[in-house]
Parts: sequence; structure tokens; C-alpha cells
Amino acid sequence: DTGVSQDPRHKITKRGQNVTFRCDPISEHNRLYWYRQTLGQGPEFLTYFQNEAQLEKSRLLSDRFSAERPKGSFSTLEIQRTEQGDSAMYLCASDWGSMNTEAFFGQGTRLTVV
Amino acid sequence: DQQVKQNSPSLSVQEGRISILNCDYTNSMFDYFLWYKKYPAEGPTFLISISSIKDKNEDGRFTVFLNKSAKHLSLHIVPSQPGDSAVYFCAALLRGYTGTASKLTFGTGTRLQVTL
Repeated sequence: DTGVSQDPRHKITKRGQNVTFRCDPISEHNRLYWYRQTLGQGPEFLTYFQNEAQLEKSRLLSDRFSAERPKGSFSTLEIQRTEQGDSAMYLCASDWGSMNTEAFFGQGTRLTVV
Repeated sequence: DQQVKQNSPSLSVQEGRISILNCDYTNSMFDYFLWYKKYPAEGPTFLISISSIKDKNEDGRFTVFLNKSAKHLSLHIVPSQPGDSAVYFCAALLRGYTGTASKLTFGTGTRLQVTL
């Protein structure tokens, strides 16, 4: 078990470009979460999946953002027409759906929009 | 609207002494609380948690205290070690509403520095 893996670790993109991030959760975990962390703030919830179903999306997830988990394993988060305000650390987490379990986080993808 | 607040952005403690990190929340419906630790360039790592039906949970050097009437929780680290230097995030869950889903509401974090 190598933990939650995110790729890439860093991404620099020009404003207006599309970017896609990937998250591979811990293999036996059926739930996967995306969070965003900006400078000086704690992580903020964006969306989560149970298996392949996207069960909730935050108001923070504008229509330029889309997340998928096609086979209930890895997930992708795409941002279209990036804006400078999208610059942040994007964190993925996963857990197993039972009481008293905590989410395990990946190392994150740091996005810089120039 | 910051529902989970960590009002101390930083804290410096000598090695061997007690570190006390504080967290306040405004939503009385939160029913599960967690502390995460974060090193630079890494994701948050779970440290300890407490259910709202308890007022204390202990795990080795780490103890979390919950005061529901004051909507306040604290993390005590005794004794503090240099390796404890990190950013500590308080997080809360509405388990009664989201089931067991880890839809966490985080505070802004407290940077702890343990000095020699």
C-alpha cells in the first residue's frame, strides 16, 4: 500500500489553458475526496465520490471544474479556462466507508496559473 | 463564514514542554472532530480524533479535549519534540448529516515550532 498518490506534484499553466490532475486512492478505499487549499487557509471541500458516483459538489466547484471517477478507482479533476484565482494546492483524500475512520490525504498538486 | 477557527497562527514551545493548540467552532451540529498535522510539501496526516459524545481522547503524547458548551477543543502535546514542528489543522464533521463521509471543515491552521 503506497498511500494516496497524486500526479503531477506541480503544474504551471497559462491563464485560459485547461489542466487535469490525477488521484490514485488507497486501493481498498471506496470513497475519494477533492479539497483545495489556498495560501493561509485550511483545505476546503470540493467534491466526493463513493465508488464511481459523485455524491456531492461544493459551491466552490464552478462549472469550469469537473471531476470523474470512471471505474471507482482513480479520479481526475479538470479545470477548464484556468484563472489566476485557481492557483492553489489541490488535495485528494480517500477512506473506507465506515464509522471512526479518517481520510488519508495525498501530497497534493500545486497549481500556479500565470 | 469560518465555521472552524484557529485564532493562533503560530506557537513556539520549548522541547519537553507542553504544546496546547486551540480550536473554536460555531456550528453546534458538528459531531466529530479531528486534528491533522501537515509538513511542508506533504498532505495532511491524521493525528487524533474525538466524538462529540466524549470530552477527552488520549493517544500517547497527544490528548484532545472537547468542551461542547464552549464549542472549543484543544490539542495537548506532552512532551513536545522537535519533530512535532508542523502546521496543525483542526477539522470538524457533520456525521449525523453526511453519514460516515469525510466531508471535513478545516480551520486555518496553527504553525507549531518546537525549539531546542
